[in-house]
Amino acid sequence: EAGVAQSPRYKIIEKRQSVAFWCNPISGHATLYWYQQILGQGPKLLIQFQNNGVVDDSQLPKDRFSAERLKGVDSTLKIQPAKLEDSAVYLCASSLGTGEAFFGQGTRLTVV
Amino acid sequence: KQEVTQIPAALSVPEGENLVLNCSFTDSAIYNLQWFRQDPGKGLTSLLLIQSSQREQTSGRLNASLDKSSGRSTLYIAASQPGDSATYLCAVSPIYNNNDMRFGAGTRLTVKP
Repeated sequence: EAGVAQSPRYKIIEKRQSVAFWCNPISGHATLYWYQQILGQGPKLLIQFQNNGVVDDSQLPKDRFSAERLKGVDSTLKIQPAKLEDSAVYLCASSLGTGEAFFGQGTRLTVV
Repeated sequence: KQEVTQIPAALSVPEGENLVLNCSFTDSAIYNLQWFRQDPGKGLTSLLLIQSSQREQTSGRLNASLDKSSGRSTLYIAASQPGDSATYLCAVSPIYNNNDMRFGAGTRLTVKP
């Protein structure tokens, strides 16, 4: 069974630039999450999708972050414009709905 | 709001020791609790999942316990090996959204040969 795929693995951008991350969940997983993990901290939930609907985006900084999940499969997370404090690893995870989640390798973003 | 705390933040032990990692949470109305392992620069790997009706789960040298009433979980690692070196994270899901997960900051474990 293929795991959760994320790209790119690494990204370096200047502040005020835009960036987008892509996630392909495990086939058949209706729930998809985006987490932000700042160095030395646990992952923080940014947004949770159930199929292509948003379940929870209460911690998503909506003035600069946006996410979509078209057709209930792949998802993209965008930051526009980026700030220095957005430097983090962005993790995508998916779940069948049983509560057990599977994570991708993450995208490490550095904003300079 | 659910707060998840993990103690200690870092732990260093010699190979072969048995060890315990702790996780505490403030809201006992949970659906489940998961323990994850994270290697440097990698994503998270699920180790054990404990449903709210369960008291413990075991997988190989790992044993996780759950005490909802006190808001605590422990991860016991028997006969530690250098390959166990990683960061261990716990996450709880609330009853009202069993697909939500709130994480602790993790315990960074180093097992010395």
